[in-house]
Amino acid sequence: GAVVSQHPSWVICKSGTSVKIECRSLDFQATTMFWYRQFPKQSLMLMATSNEGSKATYEQGVEKDKFLINHASLTLSTLTVTSAHPEDSSFYICSAREPTSGTPGGSYGELFFGEGSRLTVL
Amino acid sequence: AQSVTQLDSQVPVFEEAPVELRCNYSSSVSVYLFWYVQYPNQGLQLLLKYLSGSTLVKGINGFEAEFNKSQTSFHLRKPSVHISDTAEYFCAVTLGLDFGGYNKLIFGAGTRLAVHP
Repeated sequence: GAVVSQHPSWVICKSGTSVKIECRSLDFQATTMFWYRQFPKQSLMLMATSNEGSKATYEQGVEKDKFLINHASLTLSTLTVTSAHPEDSSFYICSAREPTSGTPGGSYGELFFGEGSRLTVL
Repeated sequence: AQSVTQLDSQVPVFEEAPVELRCNYSSSVSVYLFWYVQYPNQGLQLLLKYLSGSTLVKGINGFEAEFNKSQTSFHLRKPSVHISDTAEYFCAVTLGLDFGGYNKLIFGAGTRLAVHP
């Protein structure tokens, strides 16, 4: 299957600093990517939908000024946690949607997930 | 609105025993259903999905699931588990395809499968 890569896998930062997490689709172009947040021993909560060339769509309750999403190219979306605090510590996972082929039996926009990025804010 | 309920937070089982992980969904429209597996500190790997057609879906690693529309369930099963199956399993639902492909996934709370020797 297609490959989605996240970087960094682990990051530790001081409270008040900003952290950028990258999500790349390595072998396909993704017009749409999704960002999820996962607390320990809990499920994935959708944070936002990232569309190439346009503003991200945030889920209710997610601070758009806190979690900046940029999808500047068809293979890269970034999530920046601004002025991070300990409560922002979490596992962040992205998924990228492969393009549909538009033909019967062809690709239908499967979702592929990155390996996740663990953020620890001290 | 859609929602997914995974009835068991943890399922302990002995190696080579059968296992069933339960998933129920709620939606007023037709949905597509998925099962994912997550190993520690890793992303998600798709086990199987139901889009349409046969209600019995076979996936990777010997897993299968059955879609039951009347009971709004999509339970995951494996006839004989291995130690390596120990992981977190997530059931997910989406309204399905929009113009660009799969819409966003809504996940259940997850079930921790612990396989003991």
